[in-house]
Amino acid sequence: NAGVTQTPKFRVLKTGQSMTLLCAQDMNHEYMYWYRQDPGMGLRLIHYSVGEGTTAKGEVPDGYNVSRLKKQNFLLGLESAAPSQTSVYFCASSLQTGTNYGYTFGSGTRLTVV
Amino acid sequence: QKEVEQDPGPLSVPEGAIVSLNCTYSNSAFQYFMWYRQYSRKGPELLMYTYSSGNKEDGRFTAQVDKSSKYISLFIRDSQPSDSATYLCAPAGGDQFYFGTGTSLTVIP
Repeated sequence: NAGVTQTPKFRVLKTGQSMTLLCAQDMNHEYMYWYRQDPGMGLRLIHYSVGEGTTAKGEVPDGYNVSRLKKQNFLLGLESAAPSQTSVYFCASSLQTGTNYGYTFGSGTRLTVV
Repeated sequence: QKEVEQDPGPLSVPEGAIVSLNCTYSNSAFQYFMWYRQYSRKGPELLMYTYSSGNKEDGRFTAQVDKSSKYISLFIRDSQPSDSATYLCAPAGGDQFYFGTGTSLTVIP
């Protein structure tokens, strides 16, 4: 049982490049989330999904897009990377409303935009 | 005003000490309160979960919620070097949690 798997683990991008971060969970969880974590800022919600085919904006959605075509996968896209998007990105999932069950987090993707 | 305020530390204690980690929050509607532990270069993991006010104990860890003062605490008894990590409080409202910035704890052998 792998839980939540994020790929890649590390990536360096040049400004203006695009990339997709993949999150996969094998727990049959309905809810999935993308967070970014920056020093002194804590975890900030980018986008989330309450089920297959749904997405919603979080606290800091600008510059990112997401898709949830399959229940087990949640993709985070950066269309034109900027240095301000240098961060550690975490995906999380929960069985139902996270407030009742808590989140299971992946191990993170460290992204540097130069 | 931030939803959650947490002293970032860092906090350094000798092995065996009692550790107190604290958060304050602003939204009186929060009903669920969780603590996550995050080791260096890892994702957060759920440590404690409390509903509404009161105490919850799990081994060496005790979570305490005082909704009247909007104050959340995590106590660690007999702290161990393996407890060295960042601890994030996360009260919850609606469909999501609001994470504190985390308190970095180092337990010195």
